[in-house]
Amino acid sequence: KAGVTQTPRYLIKTRGQQVTLSCSPISGHRSVSWYQQTPGQGLQFLFEYFSETQRNKGNFPGRFSGRQFSNSRSEMNVSTLELGDSALYLCASSAVVGPNNSPLHFGNGTRLTVT
Amino acid sequence: AQSVSQHNHHVILSEAASLELGCNYSYGGTVNLFWYVQYPGQHLQLLLKYFSGDPLVKGIKGFEAEFIKSKFSFNLRKPSVQWSDTAEYFCAVISNNAGNMLTFGGGTRLMVKP
Repeated sequence: KAGVTQTPRYLIKTRGQQVTLSCSPISGHRSVSWYQQTPGQGLQFLFEYFSETQRNKGNFPGRFSGRQFSNSRSEMNVSTLELGDSALYLCASSAVVGPNNSPLHFGNGTRLTVT
Repeated sequence: AQSVSQHNHHVILSEAASLELGCNYSYGGTVNLFWYVQYPGQHLQLLLKYFSGDPLVKGIKGFEAEFIKSKFSFNLRKPSVQWSDTAEYFCAVISNNAGNMLTFGGGTRLMVKP
């Protein structure tokens, strides 16, 4: 079974630009979550989608947005990039959401550098 | 809001030494607890998880963790570490009403000297 696939692996953008990152979950997984990993702030939750609906959102500005398609693939978008947005963006998928959470499976991430 | 704290940011051990990494969380309700590991250049992988039942859970590669509800702790242990255990370890919590919104600790970098 293929794992969580994130594209691209590396991205370099300049301030003010926007960027779209893509995530393909494990086949059959319907929940996709996004996390930002930085040396200073560690791993922080961005948002979670299930069946094309955003279920939870972390404490990030509105420049960060996402969506999920009917095939469970997800994209996240960051507009008006700032230097502080430089980070590793991780996508994670799981089979279900509920009281007995199925563990999250993480992708390798997209390394975004903003110059 | 829930939070997770990992006491040690960096740990250096020699091979065959015993390991214990501390993790404490703050949340008053029912939680699910996880330890993830990130080997150099690799993605986050699940080591072990606690949902309910026996508070002593065993994971992959000889790791185990004990959930002590009264102490809000979920410490990770391994009796004898190997050089290949060199990695960053993350404790994480999900509350039962938070979907898949994991709250991570700051991580502990473990270096095992051969």
